Amino acid sequence: GQQVMQIPQYQHVQEGEDFTTYCNSSTTLSNIQWYKQRPGGHPVFLIQLVKSGEVKKQKRLTFQFGEAKKNSSLHITATQTTDVGTYFCAGGQGAQKLVFGQGTRLTINP
Amino acid sequence: DSGVTQTPKHLITATGQRVTLRCSPRSGDLSVYWYQQSLDQGLQFLIQYYNGEERAKGNILERFSAQQFPDLHSELNLSSLELGDSALYFCASSIGQGWGNEKLFFGSGTQLSVL
Repeated sequence: GQQVMQIPQYQHVQEGEDFTTYCNSSTTLSNIQWYKQRPGGHPVFLIQLVKSGEVKKQKRLTFQFGEAKKNSSLHITATQTTDVGTYFCAGGQGAQKLVFGQGTRLTINP
Repeated sequence: DSGVTQTPKHLITATGQRVTLRCSPRSGDLSVYWYQQSLDQGLQFLIQYYNGEERAKGNILERFSAQQFPDLHSELNLSSLELGDSALYFCASSIGQGWGNEKLFFGSGTQLSVL
């Protein structure tokens, strides 16, 4: 079945450093979504990308959807301690299925 | 606050027992999804209901069952519990039935501990 692979599994950075997590699918996706789960919390929707090559920004967060609609990335510039958490991508296979990646846990040294 | 309500927040029980987890979706949402998250693991999809009917099924054990009621709230029943069933169980909701295209709103979860 469709799989969505996310790397790295863990990332530890110094506050102020940049952070990137990558998501790759074995099949073409209808859309890619990103969620953030704070420690002890629940996943919260961040953004949805639908178009090939789409780039969206939310303050220090930049989201990209690949040209082939099989990969995506989330880049955080100048991390802050509030960015701590696990970031999940989720790939849509048409309207039928949403497959979550395994997540990237981000920890930050202040 | 996502608008999705899950009860109870914590549940401690013994092996072999049966428990029921409850979820009320956001107002207006017709789909409910159940996910399992074990320690340091990702989100494992269990099952989706749309307007009272089962729409999609994931890796849900036969010991587990779910339903969605006419008022759209959903219950997840876990029976013959094993130690390995200890996990955080999330309910999520979305407005329609297009699971792959819709953003999900997650509840705060039920932490199940099987001793």
